[in-house]
Amino acid sequence: DQQVKQNSPSLSVQEGRISILNCDYTNSMFDYFLWYKKYPAEGPTFLISISSIKDKNEDGRFTVFLNKSAKHLSLHIVPSQPGDSAVYFCAARGSGAGSYQLTFGKGTKLSVIP
Amino acid sequence: DTAVSQTPKYLVTQMGNDKSIKCEQNLGHDTMYWYKQDSKKFLKIMFSYNNKELIINETVPNRFSPKSPDKAHLNLHINSLELGDSAVYFCASTLTAWNTEAFFGQGTRLTVV
Repeated sequence: DQQVKQNSPSLSVQEGRISILNCDYTNSMFDYFLWYKKYPAEGPTFLISISSIKDKNEDGRFTVFLNKSAKHLSLHIVPSQPGDSAVYFCAARGSGAGSYQLTFGKGTKLSVIP
Repeated sequence: DTAVSQTPKYLVTQMGNDKSIKCEQNLGHDTMYWYKQDSKKFLKIMFSYNNKELIINETVPNRFSPKSPDKAHLNLHINSLELGDSAVYFCASTLTAWNTEAFFGQGTRLTVV
């Protein structure tokens, strides 16, 4: 039962171009969404987030778009740089008893080609 | 100065053994987590402790037992290891149980042979 889906396991983009990573979710109770970036042999690191009351959040080269009606979000990286090559995880927040809880997608491996 | 550190980084052991993974955070966070990333690459929460108290306990075999001696440490002990336990285990922390911007350790790759 995948509540957060990243259907593209990998993506290759030329340096300087736009990278678009997609994420779909099924649980309408999710109210906050995050993107994490992971380099090999390291733990995930927080990249950017968006609340369900917004449709866009921008931080430098990174922009996350949220389409609630479609239960879809995307991460745009412009311009893409070789250092952006990593696995990107989409995560959604739900409420549990006494805490928030994150549900992660399987990740998309981004390769930025110099 | 690593924020969330876990040891060991790699662990190879035989079926039936008991092993522990240690985690420490120096961020002053109240809440710590164990996640498992299996062969299908899903990152799934296993446990969460808030100020040494268990607050999330997902459907995990009771061979897995977390222990939090203080809020800066969360260890994971696994009894009678099975082949299916092979995975990467990540420790993480958040400022409070109501924060979601988690800081992760580098992971422990457990291989059961």
